[in-house]
Amino acid sequence: DQQVKQNSPSLSVQEGRISILNCDYTNSMFDYFLWYKKYPAEGPTFLISISSIKDKNEDGRFTVFLNKSAKHLSLHIVPSQPGDSAVYFCAARGTGTASKLTFGTGTRLQVTL
Amino acid sequence: NAGVTQTPKFQVLKTGQSMTLQCAQDMNHEYMSWYRQDPGMGLRLIHYSVGAGITDQGEVPNGYNVSRSTTEDFPLRLLSAAPSQTSVYFCASSYAIQNTEAFFGQGTRLTVV
Repeated sequence: DQQVKQNSPSLSVQEGRISILNCDYTNSMFDYFLWYKKYPAEGPTFLISISSIKDKNEDGRFTVFLNKSAKHLSLHIVPSQPGDSAVYFCAARGTGTASKLTFGTGTRLQVTL
Repeated sequence: NAGVTQTPKFQVLKTGQSMTLQCAQDMNHEYMSWYRQDPGMGLRLIHYSVGAGITDQGEVPNGYNVSRSTTEDFPLRLLSAAPSQTSVYFCASSYAIQNTEAFFGQGTRLTVV
């Protein structure tokens, strides 16, 4: 049972426009949500995170929004740049001492010129 | 500062063979973990360790063994490789289990024929 879901396998956005990547989760016990970015032949790199007690976190061009009632989070990239083309993974951390990351299946973002 | 180093980058095994995927980090991180990435499945946790001498199972531990004799190293052993273990394997480390930012290695692409 997929506890973290990214329903859009791919997304294409024009350079300069906004990219919105979505993620849904089913486990109410997750206390932290993260976005990782992955280029081909490289490991994932941390992008931005948000605590479950907040609804927004911003870092430069990247903003993550959390809607706990809908169990939904989204990553906004404004403005999108060609270098943002990558696979984006949403991840969630469970509460407790044995916290582990549960990843979504990823969304491939293509930023076109 | 090398970060998280995985070796080898590529490996082809025959069914039934054994091998060890190496992972080393030089950031003095307590928490290390192994994930596998399969198409349409995201990253799934295999095993993790919260410190030297302590390991535990993740979501998909069957067919894999780990040990953590030092803080720096966390090898993943395949005792008898199966085609279902064909995947890309990522090692990750973080400062503490509560720390949400995990640093990933570049991955090992394993093919079992």
